Amino acid sequence: AQSVSQHNHHVILSEAASLELGCNYSYGGTVNLFWYVQYPGQHLQLLLKYFSGDPLVKGIKGFEAEFIKSKFSFNLRKPSVQWSDTAEYFCAVTSLLTGANNLFFGTGTRLTVIP
Amino acid sequence: NAGVTQTPKFQVLKTGQSMTLQCAQDMNHNSMYWYRQDPGMGLRLIYYSASEGTTDKGEVPNGYNVSRLNKREFSLRLESAAPSQTSVYFCASSAGGGGQPQHFGDGTRLSIL
Repeated sequence: AQSVSQHNHHVILSEAASLELGCNYSYGGTVNLFWYVQYPGQHLQLLLKYFSGDPLVKGIKGFEAEFIKSKFSFNLRKPSVQWSDTAEYFCAVTSLLTGANNLFFGTGTRLTVIP
Repeated sequence: NAGVTQTPKFQVLKTGQSMTLQCAQDMNHNSMYWYRQDPGMGLRLIYYSASEGTTDKGEVPNGYNVSRLNKREFSLRLESAAPSQTSVYFCASSAGGGGQPQHFGDGTRLSIL
């Protein structure tokens, strides 16, 4: 079945550690890829997105993600996390084959950063 | 600016009751969406509206109806609530199409007994 997989359910890091959250998808065709973040008590918000071009995408707050088409992956990275990065992170995909308005989300990864 | 406003924030219903979840955005966005979020499932699209006067089914539309009343408002109706519809419901909006909601509401936590 088509899906978006985030294998890490809960990640715990110390401040200044490097972060990589995995995201794999199984949709075919042309895809658009997104990472959303939900800070405690706040709205879900868009962190970064990939439509085309440079597969390394820079987002807000020092986050970046790399689209590797051959691996169907769009992993989120940050070189040095801060306590304020504690949040839940969701990967999402649209595929032209399933309709550009149909955004499929992963189950989310909860990140806890320890000061 | 308020962004995306959802009402109510919490609601408890009995099986078979009906209710409408309200959503309004003040950003003059064309597209609006309704999602549900269940534990271990991620967000799933129920319905979306690419522009005023149009609505389309998403991944899980069964048991729901929607109305795009005007450009600002997009309501979600449960005609006969079922326990399987217990969830957190999020409304979202975006300036254009392309499937990526830019702004989300606070969510409505709905429990059906």
